[in-house]
Amino acid sequence: SQKIEQNSEALNIQEGKTATLTCNYTNYSPAYLQWYRQDPGRGPVFLLLIRENEKEKRKERLKVTFDTTLKQSLFHITASQPADSATYLCALPGYSSASKIIFGSGTRLSIRP
Amino acid sequence: DARVTQTPRDKVTEMGQEVTMRCQPILGHNTVFWYRQTMKQGLELLAYFRNRAPLDDSGMPKDRFSAEMPDATLATLKIQPSEPRDSAVYFCASGLLTSGKYEQYFGPGTRLTVT
Repeated sequence: SQKIEQNSEALNIQEGKTATLTCNYTNYSPAYLQWYRQDPGRGPVFLLLIRENEKEKRKERLKVTFDTTLKQSLFHITASQPADSATYLCALPGYSSASKIIFGSGTRLSIRP
Repeated sequence: DARVTQTPRDKVTEMGQEVTMRCQPILGHNTVFWYRQTMKQGLELLAYFRNRAPLDDSGMPKDRFSAEMPDATLATLKIQPSEPRDSAVYFCASGLLTSGKYEQYFGPGTRLTVT
C-alpha cells in the first residue's frame, strides 16, 4: 500500500534562515503532490500543488521540488519568520483515485526570533 | 470570502449516544470530504462524495458511522453509537476537483469528546 513519510516530527530554526521540510512516498508514482499548512485549532490550508512533470514550483517565499526518481518532495520557506510557525502537511492522491487525497503526518515547524 | 462551515465546533457526549456533525461546503464545489484527525493517526480520510454521490467510504467504520449529502449545501456525518475511541477532530473539506484542480478547502473542524 502507498506510504507517505514526513521525516521530521518537529523542526526548530532561527528567524531569517531557510526551513526545509521533506516528504517521501513509496510504492507508486503520483501525478501530483500538495502541501498544506495547519495552525493549532484550525483546518489545513492549501499552499501549493506540484505536478509530476514539474521539477520546481514557487510562490512568494515558498519553493517546492518534486523528484519522482527519489520519490521525494522538498518544501522550502526562505527568509523564515515566526509567523511561519505551523504544522506543514504533504498530501498525495490515492493509488486508486486522483480525488482520494492521503495526508502525511506533518512536520511541526517553529521559527524562533 | 467563501468558506466551509461546520457545526457544532465542539461536542461532548457520553458513550452510546448518537452524534451528528454537519458541514456546508463552498457553493459550487463538486466534491466533499470527511476527515478525522488524532495525534496518533494524523489526518485520515473517512469518506468523500462527488456531486452528492458517495464515492468512497472505505475509511469509515461501517457499523457505526454513516455519511450523507441530502443536498448540495449540506453534508452530514453520524456516529451511532459513539465510543470513547471516536474522540477526535472531524474535518469537512470541499473542492472543485476537475482536471488540474485538486486543492481542498477545509472547515474549522468539530472537536468530539466521547466520555
